Amino acid sequence: DTGVSQDPRHKITKRGQNVTFRCDPISEHNRLYWYRQTLGQGPEFLTYFQNEAQLEKSRLLSDRFSAERPKGSFSTLEIQRTEQGDSAMYLCASSPKIADTQYFGPGTRLTVL
Amino acid sequence: DAKTTQPTSMDCAEGRAANLPCNHSTISGNEYVYWYRQIHSQGPQYIIHGLKNNETNEMASLIITEDRKSSTLILPHATLRDTAVYYCIVREARKVRNQGGKLIFGQGTELSVKP
Repeated sequence: DTGVSQDPRHKITKRGQNVTFRCDPISEHNRLYWYRQTLGQGPEFLTYFQNEAQLEKSRLLSDRFSAERPKGSFSTLEIQRTEQGDSAMYLCASSPKIADTQYFGPGTRLTVL
Repeated sequence: DAKTTQPTSMDCAEGRAANLPCNHSTISGNEYVYWYRQIHSQGPQYIIHGLKNNETNEMASLIITEDRKSSTLILPHATLRDTAVYYCIVREARKVRNQGGKLIFGQGTELSVKP
């Protein structure tokens, strides 16, 4: 059973650097979601793709954040000019349909020094 | 999406049933109740969901009150591995193209299963 995978699992970077994370959804799932989770809080929605189209973005997704899903399969989330406040766990989830169950990956933990 | 209220933390003895309550008094007729859990440093794990009827699967049972304003997740025989944060989420079932059915997580209940 190949679930959602994320890479890397951990990333440490210096303030001002750019970072990119990758998410591979479950095969045949055409919906893909990104969430962010800070310490002690529940995950917060960032953005959502249906196939390659980015259909919804949270106000949390500032100009420094960009997400892509070029071929409707894997997705990347890039953060430019990282800030210490970007330190968080970045979670990816996928589902076969809009209202269907979302399955989460293990997350990428970002630490910005 | 309706808001949910859960206790911040609960303890349960290993081998006993864990009953986790959730209030969702503003739930509307087309909203499902979902439960996820998150073990420390892992991604959230889907447990169960329901609309009106009680549901059971290999992990848990979900009991929804008749007025749908509250629900209880039951782990019938809790083990140490069930120690996690449990999230109760209500989510609209209506399929709208530009609204992808995002999950809105609250603080959840931190369940500690003790030997």
